[in-house]
Amino acid sequence: NAGVTQTPKFQVLKTGQSMTLQCAQDMNHEYMSWYRQDPGMGLRLIHYSVGAGITDQGEVPNGYNVSRSTTEDFPLRLLSAAPSQTSVYFCASSYRGVRETQYFGPGTRLLVL
Amino acid sequence: AQTVTQSQPEMSVQEAETVTLSCTYDTSESDYYLFWYKQPPSRQMILVIRQEAYKQQNATENRFSVNFQKAAKSFSLKISDSQLGDAAMYFCAYRDRTTSGTYKYIFGTGTRLKVLA
Repeated sequence: NAGVTQTPKFQVLKTGQSMTLQCAQDMNHEYMSWYRQDPGMGLRLIHYSVGAGITDQGEVPNGYNVSRSTTEDFPLRLLSAAPSQTSVYFCASSYRGVRETQYFGPGTRLLVL
Repeated sequence: AQTVTQSQPEMSVQEAETVTLSCTYDTSESDYYLFWYKQPPSRQMILVIRQEAYKQQNATENRFSVNFQKAAKSFSLKISDSQLGDAAMYFCAYRDRTTSGTYKYIFGTGTRLKVLA
C-alpha cells in the first residue's frame, strides 16, 4: 500500500493562477479531508468528504473547491490563487467508522507570489 | 463551536527525563475522541495516542501516556524517558460528530518539543 499520496510536493503560483492539488489513497477509505497548516495556527480543516459524491465545508473553505468522483481521489482546486493561500496543505483519510484513525499524506507546500 | 487550546508554544526536556504537554478543549458533547499527533521536521503527521471520551482509563502507548480529565476538559500528554527522536511539533486534536452524522477534526496550534542531549 502506498497509503495517502499527494502531488506536487512543492508549487509556486502567481496571484490569480489556478491549480489542483492531488490526493489519492489506496486503502479504500470512505473519509477524506484537506487541511492547511500555517505557523501558529495548527491544522485547519478546509473541506471533507464521507464518500464518493459527498463533500462538505470545513473551517476555512473560501477560495477552495473539491469534488469526490471516486473513493480513491480527492483533489483540491484553487480557482484564483491569492498570497493568503500560501501554506502547507495536508490530505488525510480514514475509514468512516467513529473509532477509526486518520492517516495523513506527506503534504504539499504552496507559495503564492 | 468546539475549540482546542495548547497553551505551551514550546517546551524543552533533557534526554531521559519526563515532560508533560498540555491541552484543553471546549465541547458540549459527551461522546468524542481526542488525539495527540507528532510532526517531526519531515512534516509527516504521526498518530501518537488516542483516547475515547467514554473510557475512564487513560490511554498509554509505550513511553507515551495521557492524563484525561473529562470534567476539566483537559487532555495532557506525558512522554517518559525522552529521546532525541521525540523532538517534534505535537498537536492535540478533537474529533467532533457533525449534525449530519459525519465527523471532523479540530486541531490545537501545537507545542514544539526540544530534547536536550
